[in-house]
Amino acid sequence: AQKVTQTQTSISVVEKTTVTMDCVYETRDSSYFLFWYKQTASGEIVFLIRQDSYKKENATVGHYSLNFQKPKSSIGLIITATQIEDSAVYFCAMREVITGNTEKLIFGLGTTLQVQP
Amino acid sequence: GGIITQTPKFLIGQEGQKLTLKCQQNFNHDTMYWYRQDSGKGLRLIYYSITENDLQKGDLSEGYDASREKKSSFSLTVTSAQKNEMAVFLCASTDSGTGGSQNTLYFGAGTRLSVL
Repeated sequence: AQKVTQTQTSISVVEKTTVTMDCVYETRDSSYFLFWYKQTASGEIVFLIRQDSYKKENATVGHYSLNFQKPKSSIGLIITATQIEDSAVYFCAMREVITGNTEKLIFGLGTTLQVQP
Repeated sequence: GGIITQTPKFLIGQEGQKLTLKCQQNFNHDTMYWYRQDSGKGLRLIYYSITENDLQKGDLSEGYDASREKKSSFSLTVTSAQKNEMAVFLCASTDSGTGGSQNTLYFGAGTRLSVL
C-alpha cells in the first residue's frame, strides 16, 4: 500500500529565513504525483505545489519549491523568505489510483510551522 | 475559479443522533470526496463519488452514509454519533479527466463536529 510519512511534527523558524519540511513516500507505481497542501488556522486546506514523478525539474511556485529526490523517495518542501502568515500545518500527499481514472490523496500527518518575528 | 461550501461550519450533536453534513461546489467537478481529520491522524477518506448518483466507500465508511443527488452537491450522514466524538469533516472535489486523472483536489473549509 502507498504511504506518506512526515517525520517532523513541528518546526519553528524566524521570519525571512528558509525552511525545509521533509516527506518520504512509498509507492509501487512507476508514475506518480506528489502534492503539498497548507492548512491555515481557520482550517482551510489550500493546494500549494505538486511534483509529477516523470519530471526531472523541481517544481517552483512563488516562494515554494520542492526538493524531489526520486532515488530516496523524498519530496521536501522548501519555503524561502518565510513570513508570519506562513505559519500553518503543511501536509504532504500522494495520489493513489482507486479505480480507472478515479484517484484519492493519501496524506501524511502534517508538520506544524511556526514563523516567529 | 470556484469554491466549495460546507454547511454547517460547526455541528454539535447528541450521542446516537443522526447528523447530516452538506457540501456544494461550483467548479463543475466530477469527483467529490469526504475526508475526516482527527488530531494526530491526518486525513482519512470516508466516501467519494465520481458522478451524480454514484457512491463509493473509502477507508473509513463504517458509521456513515452519503448522497450525491446532484453533480454540485455531496452530503455525508453520521448514522449514529458517538459520545465525545470530535473531528473535522472536509469535503473536496476534483475534475476527473480521461486517460488517468492527475488533477488537484480542492477543499472546503470543513465542518467541526462535537458530540456531547
